[in-house]
Amino acid sequence: QKEVEQDPGPLSVPEGAIVSLNCTYSNSAFQYFMWYRQYSRKGPELLMYTYSSGNKEDGRFTAQVDKSSKYISLFIRDSQPSDSATYLCAMSAGSGGSNYKLTFGKGTLLTVNP
Amino acid sequence: DSGVTQTPKHLITATGQRVTLRCSPRSGDLSVYWYQQSLDQGLQFLIQYYNGEERAKGNILERFSAQQFPDLHSELNLSSLELGDSALYFCASSPTSLGSGNTIYFGEGSWLTVV
Repeated sequence: QKEVEQDPGPLSVPEGAIVSLNCTYSNSAFQYFMWYRQYSRKGPELLMYTYSSGNKEDGRFTAQVDKSSKYISLFIRDSQPSDSATYLCAMSAGSGGSNYKLTFGKGTLLTVNP
Repeated sequence: DSGVTQTPKHLITATGQRVTLRCSPRSGDLSVYWYQQSLDQGLQFLIQYYNGEERAKGNILERFSAQQFPDLHSELNLSSLELGDSALYFCASSPTSLGSGNTIYFGEGSWLTVV
């Protein structure tokens, strides 16, 4: 079982739709959770950063973490064509040794159609 | 612009050759990370340096090595290159290690093609 599972999609939605992206994980030590957006052949760009369980909202983006279910989500409201990209979840235990590394999902390719 | 600078952006080289990828972290960041991204494997952590010292190691091959210099820039050396080494190589940096709640910021990557 991979440490982080993410449906690769592709996911295609009309402009204005609400998008839901999800990841599951198996390592209960993870406590820092992030979402990155990556445009084609560009570096991943940090979108959302949350610690432990709960919700965090930033503009059209909402990140949710449910540690009891080992499940994280990213919601995009009023999606725009400019949101078309690959979305990567990432997580870290944030403690010593090899736990310093971020473990990424494989990414979900999202296309928002005008 | 994340502030992390990587060179070269693209390079094509032959099997068996050696290349060096260079990274300048964001101003003030002490930690540098190297990641490899291929279509089938996704983003794979290779290695982390913190203020010149190796801090964590991931799936880095023995043919690959890295170092962080006193001015905090880092180099990733890839030798005896194979076709399967073709990938995007990303450098990332953070102020300290992730344990303090920071996250990492990525450069634009170096696209390596081995022919």
